[in-house]
Amino acid sequence: QKEVEQDPGPLSVPEGAIVSLNCTYSNSAFQYFMWYRQYSRKGPELLMYTYSSGNKEDGRFTAQVDKSSKYISLFIRDSQPSDSATYLCATDGNAGGTSYGKLTFGQGTILTVHP
Amino acid sequence: GAGVSQSPSNKVTEKGKDVELRCDPISGHTALYWYRQSLGQGLEFLIYFQGNSAPDKSGLPSDRFSAERTGGSVSTLTIQRTQQEDSAVYLCASSPGTGGLETQYFGPGTRLLVL
Repeated sequence: QKEVEQDPGPLSVPEGAIVSLNCTYSNSAFQYFMWYRQYSRKGPELLMYTYSSGNKEDGRFTAQVDKSSKYISLFIRDSQPSDSATYLCATDGNAGGTSYGKLTFGQGTILTVHP
Repeated sequence: GAGVSQSPSNKVTEKGKDVELRCDPISGHTALYWYRQSLGQGLEFLIYFQGNSAPDKSGLPSDRFSAERTGGSVSTLTIQRTQQEDSAVYLCASSPGTGGLETQYFGPGTRLLVL
């Protein structure tokens, strides 16, 4: 079993829809949770991160972590064609240790927002 | 300023040959990471360099893989006696290295195809 599981999709939605992207993880000691966006033939870029449980909002994006169920979500409101990309969830993977560099990623979900 | 750069962008090689992949991190970043992205597998951590400390090599899949970082800047990932299963996108990232959870800035990757 992978430490972080993510449905690869693909997911196709009409412009303006609310998108829900989800991941589950196995290690309850993980503390930091991140969402990266990757456009075709580009490197991933950090969208947002959260620490422990709770919600974090940034414009049209909301990240949510439920540590009790080991569930990570990213919501995109009023989705736009420019949001079409692969979305990767990640955790720090060090289970609260000192080596923060080692990220563990989900498989990524391919999202297409069509006009 | 300039982001993380990687070369070559694409590399096609024959099974059994050695390949070298290069990463130029963002100037001043002391932390450098290598990941591998295979189809449907998400990003897989390979190795992490932080300043002059011994690198974290825990993600290297076999002894055919090695990496070095000269002068605390440029890094080279070497794959010896390449196999077809080594075909993937190899991504490099860097971060300031000041401690704690940091944003990792990714390069565009090197697409390796082993025939």
